Parts: sequence; structure tokens; C-alpha cells
Amino acid sequence: IQLTQSPSLLSASVGDRVTLSCKGSQNINNYLAWYQQKLGEAPKLLIYKTNSLQTGIPSRFSGSGSGTDYTLTISSLHSEDLATYYCYQYNNGWTFGGGTKLELK
Amino acid sequence: EVQLQQSGAELVKPGASVKLSCKTSGYTFSNYYMSWLKQMPGQNIEWIGNIYGGNGGTGYNQKFKGKATLTVDKSSSTAYMDLSSLTSEDSAVYFCARLTGRRYFDFWGPGTMVTVSS
Repeated sequence: IQLTQSPSLLSASVGDRVTLSCKGSQNINNYLAWYQQKLGEAPKLLIYKTNSLQTGIPSRFSGSGSGTDYTLTISSLHSEDLATYYCYQYNNGWTFGGGTKLELK
Repeated sequence: EVQLQQSGAELVKPGASVKLSCKTSGYTFSNYYMSWLKQMPGQNIEWIGNIYGGNGGTGYNQKFKGKATLTVDKSSSTAYMDLSSLTSEDSAVYFCARLTGRRYFDFWGPGTMVTVSS
């Protein structure tokens, strides 16, 4: 299954509501997770099974979607949220999307 | 607290091999799979393979068969990955990550940078 993330680069301001998209080439059956990766660090799990928030992750992060289309939303952007975000499907094999880099406007 | 500690950066010559390690603590090693993943500079993340801490059973991404060999040492709760016949295409950061029973990665090591250069 191929994952396509959009946009590849997103400029936003602190306090903005931000939406990142991930589209699969086939039905993912909600087996989709989101990871945040800051420069020089390992990816960090944010969301699993489409909308389950990993322990310790702030509630401003949320996930939604079904079928082939999924979304990560940050309700109010904090400066520490600037990073690259990857979606990841585990319905059939293990594949990551190409990432969305979130930068300050 | 779950921790995954990876070995240090490697500079290796083309054609050589390298063995990376991932030492774990804070959980029962033999109850989980460990995965290895590759990230080339500025690129997305590729899954290389999984190994079960209990019996060393493995599964590989077809792309990395013959390139990567995964092993474990239960006595030290450490996972290893051998990379062979290295080329410039193998220059990347390699992560180990714990695979949950639900098939996503919950804890990651900090990564090991491998540079292949003469």
C-alpha cells in the first residue's frame, strides 16, 4: 500500500488549526498511525488506529478518517509542534508516507 | 521506563559489513518483536524487518533480503542488525523500534548513522 501525504510543506502560525492529509492507494481499514519527527530525533508516536491518542501526547492532536483517507489535526499550533509528520499504515505490510514538514509562517 | 539504546555512528568502506546494536531495558524483551527501519537523508522511512525477541523468528522487507540480517541476544536484551556489501545507497540513519502486538511502533531508539565512503 502506498501512502501519499499532502501538503509536503505547510506554513502555519502559532495558534492556527492545522490539518494534514494522508491518502492510501488501497483501503487501510483504520490501521493508520501518525508520527512526529523533529530534526535529528527519532519519530515519536502520536496517534494509532486512526484516532487513538498515545499516552502522554497532548489532546490538541487528533486523528480521523476511514477507508483510504485520513487526517491529523492540531487544534492550536504550538511552536514545539514544528516538525515533520509521517503517516504509517499497518493494514498490509508496513509503509510510511513521504511526510509533511510543518514550518512557521 | 522503556529505553532503546543504539550503537554509535559508523564510517565504513564500500563493500564492507557493519553490525548495529540496539540494547533494550524497561520491558520484557522476549515478549516483543523488534523492528529495524532505514531513513536516508531528507527521505521517508522504510521498514527493513522484524525479529521476535522470544525465539529470533524474523520477517524481512523483500527489498532488504540479502542486505540485512537480524539477530537477538536474549541474555542481554539486545537486538542486532548486520548490513553487508555496503554501498553509498546504504548511507542512512538506522532505527530500531519496538513493535506492538497491534503492529505499530511505540518506542524508538535514537538511531545510528551509517556513512559508506572510501
